[in-house]
Amino acid sequence: DAGITQSPRHKVTETGTPVTLRCHQTENHRYMYWYRQDPGHGLRLIHYSYGVKDTDKGEVSDGYSVSRSKTEDFLLTLESATSSQTSVYFCAISESGQGVSYNEQFFGPGTRLTVL
Amino acid sequence: AQSVTQPDIHITVSEGASLELRCNYSYGATPYLFWYVQSPGQGLQLLLKYFSGDTLVQGIKGFEAEFKRSQSSFNLRKPSVHWSDAAEYFCAVGPFSGGYNKLIFGAGTRLAVHP
Repeated sequence: DAGITQSPRHKVTETGTPVTLRCHQTENHRYMYWYRQDPGHGLRLIHYSYGVKDTDKGEVSDGYSVSRSKTEDFLLTLESATSSQTSVYFCAISESGQGVSYNEQFFGPGTRLTVL
Repeated sequence: AQSVTQPDIHITVSEGASLELRCNYSYGATPYLFWYVQSPGQGLQLLLKYFSGDTLVQGIKGFEAEFKRSQSSFNLRKPSVHWSDAAEYFCAVGPFSGGYNKLIFGAGTRLAVHP
């Protein structure tokens, strides 16, 4: 299994509080991604990173920010959590390069976030 | 626009029966295609992938998928389902516009297996 950990694994918080989720990889992969998973929607990309300090928005980025100060860590921050951000959050990594093998993404175990 | 459709939200099969999960995509060029499986409370695990060559692809756990360009489909099959196959299955297409190995995922098909 790819070396990807997410912390915390579960979190309950209140509306309006800031929340930071951490993704840590030991694979030295260049690309990292944050997704949210909601019933009926599959996985939707929130933000991604293509290198240290290089990040960009995905399709559902409103209300989220990210940072990547080291290759191995990718942080997702909810500046002021809302109930609509209750979800399961997955981190994924991918190696840079050409070809289908490089396009494969490896996933972490997920973080279940509940915003009350 | 690039998209992935999994028409079946839930499927129930009996153990030992055959299985086919449907995936249709919209993509401007030849896509990379993937099937992932998610067991309850777990992350996603890659079952198989396709880019070129033989249109019938073999994966792990006895799964296979067939790419049909004329139908824009990449259906997942298994000849005999085991109770442990109960999970959610996601089809994905890439690379998404803008590169960086981004993928588009379908909404998923939840598989239940009856004994």
